[in-house]
Amino acid sequence: DAKTTQPPSMDCAEGRAANLPCNHSTISGNEYVYWYRQIHSQGPQYIIHGLKNNETNEMASLIITEDRKSSTLILPHATLRDTAVYYCIALGDFGNEKLTFGTGTRLTIIP
Amino acid sequence: GAVVSQHPSWVICKSGTSVKIECRSLDFQATTMFWYRQFPKQSLMLMATSNEGSKATYEQGVEKDKFLINHASLTLSTLTVTSAHPEDSSFYICSAQRGVSTDTQYFGPGTRLTVL
Repeated sequence: DAKTTQPPSMDCAEGRAANLPCNHSTISGNEYVYWYRQIHSQGPQYIIHGLKNNETNEMASLIITEDRKSSTLILPHATLRDTAVYYCIALGDFGNEKLTFGTGTRLTIIP
Repeated sequence: GAVVSQHPSWVICKSGTSVKIECRSLDFQATTMFWYRQFPKQSLMLMATSNEGSKATYEQGVEKDKFLINHASLTLSTLTVTSAHPEDSSFYICSAQRGVSTDTQYFGPGTRLTVL
């Protein structure tokens, strides 16, 4: 699976959009971009995933660049409960693929 | 949908005893379940992958005789930490996947194990 690079930490004001970047310059054509988050002392929570097209669900939007070398997770109206570590993971569809969690981005929502 | 539970949520045990942790998929059948471990201030590390009715596949460095995994049904997997020692104290998290390997993994809330 392709390596992903994320900033170690970010702050965002409550009510504003939180934009979390992820670089995956070596991603291959069959690898999806997955986003999970982990709130302190809880299990990871699935947020969203995509392959080529931008995706949106009730939690967030995922913007993937045309060359697929980077993506941005957008939380449109951040709340204090969005404070968590966010993980961007590239995962292929070959079979027997494993989620590999890096260090992620620690997002802190500021009141 | 896609809810995964774990029991217990926390456990304290004496050194040398065994502890069993259950992982259940509540509203879907999980062909594959995964067990992770997370030490303080570190990221999740995959310990093993289990498919229903098959032996678990352990990651390199994980002792299969110490961490016994049973995936007897499509909704239940158990992890037994045998002869636990203080260094086994950690946050154990399971995840479940419906079918093919490209399906999304859904995680349980985790179990905090403290070995005295």
